[in-house]
Amino acid sequence: AQSVSQHNHHVILSEAASLELGCNYSYGGTVNLFWYVQYPGQHLQLLLKYFSGDPLVKGIKGFEAEFIKSKFSFNLRKPSVQWSDTAEYFCAVNANNAGNMLTFGGGTRLMVKP
Amino acid sequence: DSGVTQTPKHLITATGQRVTLRCSPRSGDLSVYWYQQSLDQGLQFLIQYYNGEERAKGNILERFSAQQFPDLHSELNLSSLELGDSALYFCATSRGVAGGTDTQYFGPGTRLTVL
Repeated sequence: AQSVSQHNHHVILSEAASLELGCNYSYGGTVNLFWYVQYPGQHLQLLLKYFSGDPLVKGIKGFEAEFIKSKFSFNLRKPSVQWSDTAEYFCAVNANNAGNMLTFGGGTRLMVKP
Repeated sequence: DSGVTQTPKHLITATGQRVTLRCSPRSGDLSVYWYQQSLDQGLQFLIQYYNGEERAKGNILERFSAQQFPDLHSELNLSSLELGDSALYFCATSRGVAGGTDTQYFGPGTRLTVL
């Protein structure tokens, strides 16, 4: 069965700092990859997704992620975080032969200090 | 706003009771997914329906069931509730494209508290 690991459970940064959140998955076949964000008290919103093509994917709000197949990773990055980026971030994987269900990582809580 | 609606927003009930959670998809979406988010288990896939038919099952308890109606809204029924069922229940919907490239859009969730 596929699984997703997010190594950082809690991250605290100051505004303007750079962000990188790790995501690793375990599945040997073709995968589709997603990052979702959950702002306090809100629902999950799609930040970006990777299906195929250029492994560097740009999403909303200045976020990007890089798919490195050899490392089974899909890390999320942002060059300069803002206080409004305070949220929980979830990496999710869908394996092509598993229907469309998403397997989520445990999430990373990001706090950005003003 | 994702366009997916869920009712009710909050639900407080007692152990042993039964509740129904409702989800209305975005216009044009044929697939509905239910997820449970709890502190100890994280976000877990429960079940998927596509155009009225069950498509995939995840870690869904036998006490839980779901259905998707002809108008494509879905209901998740939770019965014989236990304290451990307290969680946030999300519905997500998508167009229903096969092959895993379908993007799911999440509703605001129903927070269930079992006392």
